[in-house]
Amino acid sequence: AQSVSQHNHHVILSEAASLELGCNYSYGGTVNLFWYVQYPGQHLQLLLKYFSGDPLVKGIKGFEAEFIKSKFSFNLRKPSVQWSDTAEYFCAVMGNNDMRFGAGTRLTVKP
Amino acid sequence: DGGITQSPKYLFRKEGQNVTLSCEQNLNHDAMYWYRQDPGQGLRLIYYSQIVNDFQKGDIAEGYSVSREKKESFPLTVTSAQKNPTAFYLCASSIAGYLDNEQFFGPGTRLTVL
Repeated sequence: AQSVSQHNHHVILSEAASLELGCNYSYGGTVNLFWYVQYPGQHLQLLLKYFSGDPLVKGIKGFEAEFIKSKFSFNLRKPSVQWSDTAEYFCAVMGNNDMRFGAGTRLTVKP
Repeated sequence: DGGITQSPKYLFRKEGQNVTLSCEQNLNHDAMYWYRQDPGQGLRLIYYSQIVNDFQKGDIAEGYSVSREKKESFPLTVTSAQKNPTAFYLCASSIAGYLDNEQFFGPGTRLTVL
């Protein structure tokens, strides 16, 4: 079975710092890739997704992610974080009709 | 106001009792899902249903059961056979298809078995 790794369990940044959250997966075939976010007290919601085409995907709130097939990675980035970005972020990968979520990365942004 | 509702938010049960978690959606979605979320393990799929009266096991179906008698509803029963039932349970739905569409999540139910 495929697996999804999010290497950072908890990231603490100051406002205006740049963010990169890692996501790696093990499946070698065609994949669909997702980042979901869960803000404190809110539902899990989709941040962005990649199915095909341009490997640099832009999502809501200034987030983007780059699919690098050769590295089996789909890292999430934001050039300048805000206090309101404090949340838990989950990477998800669908391949061969099998959907897997990473363990999540908690992001704390200090004002 | 469209969305997914799960009730109750917190649930306490004694060991050995079955308990049913509710999940309702008014988004007219065909597919519905149940996940379990444990600290440090992300979301793991318990069961999913692509259409009414049909459902399939996910990765960790043992000790759980579901039904899909109506499009809007996908209740999950945690049976006494589930060895470690204390967890946060999330329900989700999507328009159609198998998992490659965006999933919309409910607020979750935290189950504690005493």
